[in-house]
Amino acid sequence: AQSVTQPDIHITVSEGASLELRCNYSYGATPYLFWYVQSPGQGLQLLLKYFSGDTLVQGIKGFEAEFKRSQSSFNLRKPSVHWSDAAEYFCAVGAAGSARQLTFGSGTQLTVLP
Amino acid sequence: DAGVIQSPRHEVTEMGQEVTLRCKPISGHNSLFWYRQTMMRGLELLIYFNNNVPIDDSGMPEDRFSAKMPNASFSTLKIQPSEPRDSAVYFCASTPGAKPSGNTIYFGEGSWLTVV
Repeated sequence: AQSVTQPDIHITVSEGASLELRCNYSYGATPYLFWYVQSPGQGLQLLLKYFSGDTLVQGIKGFEAEFKRSQSSFNLRKPSVHWSDAAEYFCAVGAAGSARQLTFGSGTQLTVLP
Repeated sequence: DAGVIQSPRHEVTEMGQEVTLRCKPISGHNSLFWYRQTMMRGLELLIYFNNNVPIDDSGMPEDRFSAKMPNASFSTLKIQPSEPRDSAVYFCASTPGAKPSGNTIYFGEGSWLTVV
């Protein structure tokens, strides 16, 4: 069965600092990987996704993520955080070629200090 | 283009009452999902439909919950009778294609349910 672990429940960074949110997945075959962001009172919005090809994926709002098969990781990064990035971030994994739904991690809450 | 549209956005109801949540997926999307989000359990898939047919309802917590998709543009999630532990945010989402794992899932803004 596929699973996703986001080891950090809550992260606090200062505005302008760099950010890395961790995501580890468990799946035996080629995974599809996603990062979603949820702002307060809103639904989930896709930041980026990885299906195949270049392991460094660029997303919206200046985010990027790197797929590392050897580490079963898909960490999300941003070089300089803005106050508007404060939100909850969810990593998700899907099984390539499967009709089943995505499995979501438990989320990482990001606080940005002025 | 309009995204996934959910109604109501907020509902407060008394225990024992029937609650109906509504969803209009993005036009042309073949798969529709109902998720529930709580602090304790995070984001849980309740049920998903493909081409209006329920494919996986193993996440539906109990018989009090039911979901229907009478046509490609409308789905309901019903709770009858409602209980305080049903208080949560319920998200509807949709995706094109029959293999949702390979496609982006688009979420609505959620229905915030409080059962008192």
